[in-house]
Amino acid sequence: GAVVSQHPSRVICKSGTSVKIECRSLDFQATTMFWYRQFPKQSLMLMATSNEGSKATYEQGVEKDKFLINHASLTLSTLTVTSAHPEDSSFYICSARDRVKGRNQPQHFGDGTRLSIL
Amino acid sequence: GNSVTQMEGPVTLSEEAFLTINCTYTATGYPSLFWYVQYPGEGLQLLLKATKADDKGSNKGFEATYRKETTSFHLEKGSVQVSDSAVYFCALSSPTQGGSEKLVFGKGTKLTVNP
Repeated sequence: GAVVSQHPSRVICKSGTSVKIECRSLDFQATTMFWYRQFPKQSLMLMATSNEGSKATYEQGVEKDKFLINHASLTLSTLTVTSAHPEDSSFYICSARDRVKGRNQPQHFGDGTRLSIL
Repeated sequence: GNSVTQMEGPVTLSEEAFLTINCTYTATGYPSLFWYVQYPGEGLQLLLKATKADDKGSNKGFEATYRKETTSFHLEKGSVQVSDSAVYFCALSSPTQGGSEKLVFGKGTKLTVNP
């Protein structure tokens, strides 16, 4: 149980393109989903916390207009990288917490999306 | 703020060797502590967790004990296998302004186990 599906797994596109990444909780409902960014050989950096039905909460230094987050249902959150540039190339990972099980429960992670901007 | 300090790698061991990866934390209140594992090209998988002092998390032969007196959560395994080669992240839960909790990660420790 507690499977999180992230799609696509890899994207290669030209500079200036907008890219959408989906994160789905397959067998549980997630009131809260999280989006992380991971640079090579580094730890995960939390970008934003996505709450179903409300605006996402962004971490300091993360551009809201650059990284658009939509959490339209209890099983789906999307991250759109708008007008992507080579410096946006990275590994993006989402996670979700089972809302039924409450706090102090672990986050379940997707397999990540490798974004490469040419 | 809350933070996690993790032993820097990389760590290279022979199969069946004993593994310890040190992790210490700084936090207010009583966070939950986690170890996650990341295999090449994949996302993170929860390895084990502990939610209060003196709890021991265990899974797949790995263990870690929540030590409040030393603010530590060291990961151990008595006999590693080649398949344990991965990056290991120590993390703690930290409350956010919105009332939910977020994870604060250490920098990760890359483990390579040679046959």
